[in-house]
Amino acid sequence: DIQMTQSPSTLSASVGDRVTITCRASQSINNWLAWYQQKPGKAPKLLIYKVFTLERGVPSRFSGSGFGTEFTLTISGLQPDDFATYYCQHFNNNMFSFGQGTKLDIK
Amino acid sequence: QVTLKESGPVLVKPTETLTLTCTVSGFSLRTARMGVSWVRQPPGKALEWLAHVFPTDTESYSTSLRSRLTISKDTSKSQVVLTVTNMEPEDTATYFCVRAEMSTVTFDYWGQGILVTVSS
Repeated sequence: DIQMTQSPSTLSASVGDRVTITCRASQSINNWLAWYQQKPGKAPKLLIYKVFTLERGVPSRFSGSGFGTEFTLTISGLQPDDFATYYCQHFNNNMFSFGQGTKLDIK
Repeated sequence: QVTLKESGPVLVKPTETLTLTCTVSGFSLRTARMGVSWVRQPPGKALEWLAHVFPTDTESYSTSLRSRLTISKDTSKSQVVLTVTNMEPEDTATYFCVRAEMSTVTFDYWGQGILVTVSS
């Protein structure tokens, strides 16, 4: 099975900052890579799919990139609403997998 | 409007079998591009994918939990059922039912989740 490893596990930042979260795959993967945002007590929300495509309604300050084994989620100009936990997700060989999450909190 | 709603017991004893039902509305389980997964999240921990049923009725399971899981769907009732055998305290988690849009292979709609506690 392909393992997805996110870094960092925790990230402290301030409103207005630009932050990057990385998701590394244990082997080269296809482009079925998505990112989700989860707030406490809520279900995750899809942000980005197929590496860089923004889900409808997601602000353009969110962006995704990468290929092969390394993928990134970038938030440019953090807003108060962005402090949450972020997960990458991959699909391969009829199976799904999530990264272990990155908690973004206020510095 | 697409909705998914999980139902089932909120408390089970160790060694018991958990049966959860997901009732969907706003889309059909017959739709070619739509699959349904179960995802769980222990308190304070990460998301864990468990099982998926494809539009073709093909099933897929987490490698680590495969021996304990069964997923099935009843298209006429718009329901997807997950059973987990031999429940243990480590299986305490919020269990989410999730729609998968198979053209992008993403989880686009989530149920609210049901917290299942395993305790004697």
